[in-house]
Amino acid sequence: EAGVAQSPRYKIIEKRQSVAFWCNPISGHATLYWYQQILGQGPKLLIQFQNNGVVDDSQLPKDRFSAERLKGVDSTLKIQPAKLEDSAVYLCASSRAPGNTIYFGEGSWLTVV
Amino acid sequence: GENVEQHPSTLSVQEGDSAVIKCTYSDSASNYFPWYKQELGKRPQLIIDIRSNVGEKKDQRIAVTLNKTAKHFSLHITETQPEDSAVYFCAASNPPSNYQLIWGAGTKLIIKP
Repeated sequence: EAGVAQSPRYKIIEKRQSVAFWCNPISGHATLYWYQQILGQGPKLLIQFQNNGVVDDSQLPKDRFSAERLKGVDSTLKIQPAKLEDSAVYLCASSRAPGNTIYFGEGSWLTVV
Repeated sequence: GENVEQHPSTLSVQEGDSAVIKCTYSDSASNYFPWYKQELGKRPQLIIDIRSNVGEKKDQRIAVTLNKTAKHFSLHITETQPEDSAVYFCAASNPPSNYQLIWGAGTKLIIKP
């Protein structure tokens, strides 16, 4: 079974620029999550999708972050404009349904300079 | 809302000895408790989980115990090996919050040769 795929793996941008991350969940997984993990901390949930609907985006900084999962499969997370404090690993994860085991992708490492 | 506290933040044990990491949670509605291992630069990976209808679960050298009355759960690793060195995260989730995982702050486990 293929895992959660993410790209790009690494990205360096200047502050105020924009960046987009892509995620392809495990086949058949209806629930998709985007987490932000700052070095030395645990993952922080940014947004949770159930199929193509948003279940929870309470911790998403909506003035600069956006995410979509239009067809209920792949998802993109965008940051515009980026700030220095956005430097982190952006982890995509998926599960068959809420409450099932969550599997993480390898992450997209973002450095904002 | 749910709050998860994890102790200790760093644990150093001699190779071959046992390691125990403890987490407490606040919401009695929480019913799913996974443990993730994250090696440096890698994604979090599920190592064991337990649901509230079970008091203990074991998988080879790893075990998790749950005390619902006291609202705490623990990870036990026996016969520790160098490859057990990593950061371990506990988490808790419950149905009313769409099973959103609330994470502990992590424990850095160091296995001394």
